[in-house]
Amino acid sequence: AQKITQTQPGMFVQEKEAVTLDCTYDTSDPSYGLFWYKQPSSGEMIFLIYQGSYDQQNATEGRYSLNFQKARKSANLVISASQLGDSAMYFCAMREGVNRDDKIIFGKGTRLHILP
Amino acid sequence: GAGVSQSPSNKVTEKGKDVELRCDPISGHTALYWYRQSLGQGLEFLIYFQGNSAPDKSGLPSDRFSAERTGGSVSTLTIQRTQQEDSAVYLCASSLFVRGPKGSPLHFGNGTRLTVT
Repeated sequence: AQKITQTQPGMFVQEKEAVTLDCTYDTSDPSYGLFWYKQPSSGEMIFLIYQGSYDQQNATEGRYSLNFQKARKSANLVISASQLGDSAMYFCAMREGVNRDDKIIFGKGTRLHILP
Repeated sequence: GAGVSQSPSNKVTEKGKDVELRCDPISGHTALYWYRQSLGQGLEFLIYFQGNSAPDKSGLPSDRFSAERTGGSVSTLTIQRTQQEDSAVYLCASSLFVRGPKGSPLHFGNGTRLTVT
């Protein structure tokens, strides 16, 4: 069964608009962590933001915020005031458990295109 | 070096040959991952090393794939008798497990692009 589901294979958004990239996850472990990564066309993987399952507040990092809805098992990435440089693949990832022996798995990604 | 280093950056091989891909993690990082990314696709987990624990090999697609990590540092991913479906970018990542607000994110190398002809 897929642990991380990203239902939007591709999105087109006008520059300066806000963007929401969807991510749902499946785990029975009460302790877990969620990550978002960006992969531009250059291929590098860039860490954006992290949310722990016990964190009281939604994570924010600059223009990135994570809309964490624990009961719905969703962890959507919100990018405010999108820029042309935001065009990239975006991956949601999860570590089940918060111990050092717990591996991180990725979703299939969403390709975001920002239109001028 | 400051980041995760992978070599070679590109590898073209003939079907049936063996290949070795190398990953040099960030110094001091205890965790090392290998992922495979086919063209335009997501990251497929292959194998995970964490300190002195037995590696998690649950993602290796067949017994043609194996990996070692020597001295808790450099790792080699070996693919024996390569097939055309093995063509992909192989990404290595490392992290230092620290409890905190950043969740010990992975630091990725630039990958090895493997083409099997």
